[in-house]
Amino acid sequence: EVQLVESGGGLVQPGGSLRLSCAASGFTFSSYWMSWVRQAPGKGLEWVANIKQDGSEKASVDSVKGRFIISRDNAENSLYLQMNSLRAEDTAVYYCARGPANWGSFDYWGQGTLVTVSS
Amino acid sequence: DIQMTQSPSSLSASVGDRLTITCRASQSINSYLNWYQQKPGKAPKLLIYAASSLQSGVPSRFSGSGSGTDFTLTISGLQPEDFATYYCQQSYSTPYTFGQGTNLEIK
Repeated sequence: EVQLVESGGGLVQPGGSLRLSCAASGFTFSSYWMSWVRQAPGKGLEWVANIKQDGSEKASVDSVKGRFIISRDNAENSLYLQMNSLRAEDTAVYYCARGPANWGSFDYWGQGTLVTVSS
Repeated sequence: DIQMTQSPSSLSASVGDRLTITCRASQSINSYLNWYQQKPGKAPKLLIYAASSLQSGVPSRFSGSGSGTDFTLTISGLQPEDFATYYCQQSYSTPYTFGQGTNLEIK
């Protein structure tokens, strides 16, 4: 059974940093692109960043470029999101998702971890 | 960036109804269109990928169609567990973008 379990969320002040983790199991982690998708309270979904199987390619939405860094450790079956210079507008539930997979879809999602940026 | 626009934003329906949700892309995305269902407090669930391919384990009452810029998600014979929010997502190019969502409520 595919499982994605996020951790690392919490309350942080504006300008602060946080590192999210996603532990993957039930599939060959090193064979898949992986992504982070977020959802602000009461709002829709926003793709944040993705990373290729071997980490050689990464992409992110403009609003986080230069502040967020996606990485992975295939030996540990883990995905990470280092978030720096956090802003109030980064407040959201952050989901780890497998993909882009078939035709660019995200076929499995974690339960999410809440990041709140507030003073 | 490719903009995705869903309609309607909200919809009331009854168990057993057949309904259609529309998603329009701001430029052609071929068939790189996916549909998700999200229930309150839960992660999204993939329903349809490549515009019309049913994800494994998803009931056959869900179907998708379209290509280019116009797409539809149809639910035939609404069940109580189908009341949720539905999102389309384009995977043609980054940044991958989602529609604003369609909230399906019980009439």
